[in-house]
Amino acid sequence: EVQLVESGGGLVQPGRSLKLSCVASGFTFSNYGMNWIRQAPGKGLEWVAYISSGSSYIYYAETVKGRFTISRDNAKNTLYLQMTSLRSEDTALYYCARGELGNWGQGVMVTVSS
Amino acid sequence: DIQMTQSPSSMSASLGDRVTITCQASQDIGNNLIWFQQKPGKSPRPMIYYATNLANGVPSRFSGSRSGSDYSLTISSLESEDMADYHCLQYKQYPLTFGSGTKLEIK
Repeated sequence: EVQLVESGGGLVQPGRSLKLSCVASGFTFSNYGMNWIRQAPGKGLEWVAYISSGSSYIYYAETVKGRFTISRDNAKNTLYLQMTSLRSEDTALYYCARGELGNWGQGVMVTVSS
Repeated sequence: DIQMTQSPSSMSASLGDRVTITCQASQDIGNNLIWFQQKPGKSPRPMIYYATNLANGVPSRFSGSRSGSDYSLTISSLESEDMADYHCLQYKQYPLTFGSGTKLEIK
């Protein structure tokens, strides 16, 4: 069974940093591209970033480009999202999702507030 | 970037009704579109892939179609368990873009 488990969220002040993790199991992690997608409270879904299976291809939404960094460690079956210069508008539930978006984690909440 | 204009933003329908939700793409996306269902407090679940292909385990009352740049999700006979938010996503090119979502309520 495919499982994706996010962690690392919490309350953080504007301008600070936070790093999210997503541990994958139930499939060969190194064979799949991975995504981060977020959902602000009561709002729709917003794609954030994608990384290919071997990290050769990386794409970001304009809203996070230059502030967020997606990475992965295939030996640890783990996807990361390093978030810096956080803003109030980054407050959201952050999901990791397998490349074709057929499998999603349960999400981890990030709240940016002073 | 490709804009996905989804309508309606919300709707209320009766059990047994035929329901249609639409997304219009701002440029050609081929059939590279997914429909997701999201129930309160849950992660999105893919319902339709490649605009018209039913995902595994999805009831046959759900279907997807395309007419030009308009993509539709139809529920042929609404059931109570279909109450949810529905989102479209284009995956023709990065950045991937979602529609703004449709909240479907049961009358």
